[in-house]
Amino acid sequence: KNQVEQSPQSLIILEGKNCTLQCNYTVSPFSNLRWYKQDTGRGPVSLTIMTFSENTKSNGRYTATLDADTKQSSLHITASQLSDSASYICVVIPSGAGSYQLTFGKGTKLSVIP
Amino acid sequence: IAGITQAPTSQILAAGRRMTLRCTQDMRHNAMYWYRQDLGLGLRLIHYSNTAGTTGKGEVPDGYSVSRANTDDFPLTLASAVPSQTSVYFCASSTDRGLGTQYFGPGTRLTVL
Repeated sequence: KNQVEQSPQSLIILEGKNCTLQCNYTVSPFSNLRWYKQDTGRGPVSLTIMTFSENTKSNGRYTATLDADTKQSSLHITASQLSDSASYICVVIPSGAGSYQLTFGKGTKLSVIP
Repeated sequence: IAGITQAPTSQILAAGRRMTLRCTQDMRHNAMYWYRQDLGLGLRLIHYSNTAGTTGKGEVPDGYSVSRANTDDFPLTLASAVPSQTSVYFCASSTDRGLGTQYFGPGTRLTVL
């Protein structure tokens, strides 16, 4: 069964600090991997999309990395802000006929405190 | 404003009642999806539609039905609600099946008593 495991489950950091969130997956064959940000009480919003051939993708203070060989991805947040407090969800999309069947991680809940 | 709208925002429902959650998008996306999100679990796909007139079952389709009469609307119906269907329901859409970015609605919080 395709799985996406995220760590840590939750994280508290001080405003201005950096942090890195991890995602390990077993989905194969693999089309692309996405990171979503979900604010409390809202729907998820896409941060980055990476195909299997990409190693890194940035979106402002967010940088995602991908190692397709080890099936690992990370999301690095630089100079965190209070507005970064949210759940961050790793999503892996298989290739082929099953590409509609996205596999979602359970998310990492990030709290940025002043 | 372009995007996805869902209605109602929240609902408390007696077990056994019928309920339809509404979802409308104005981005002319071909593909639409319904997910449920439960505490401690990732988003799980209930049903999807690749284009108007077609639907398919996702990971957890039992107890739910959908229709896709046109491009914009994708309602989700619970024929006879049960307490295990208490959840937050998200509708999403994308230009292409699975490969394009999925845009999510604000969600419907449903409580079945």
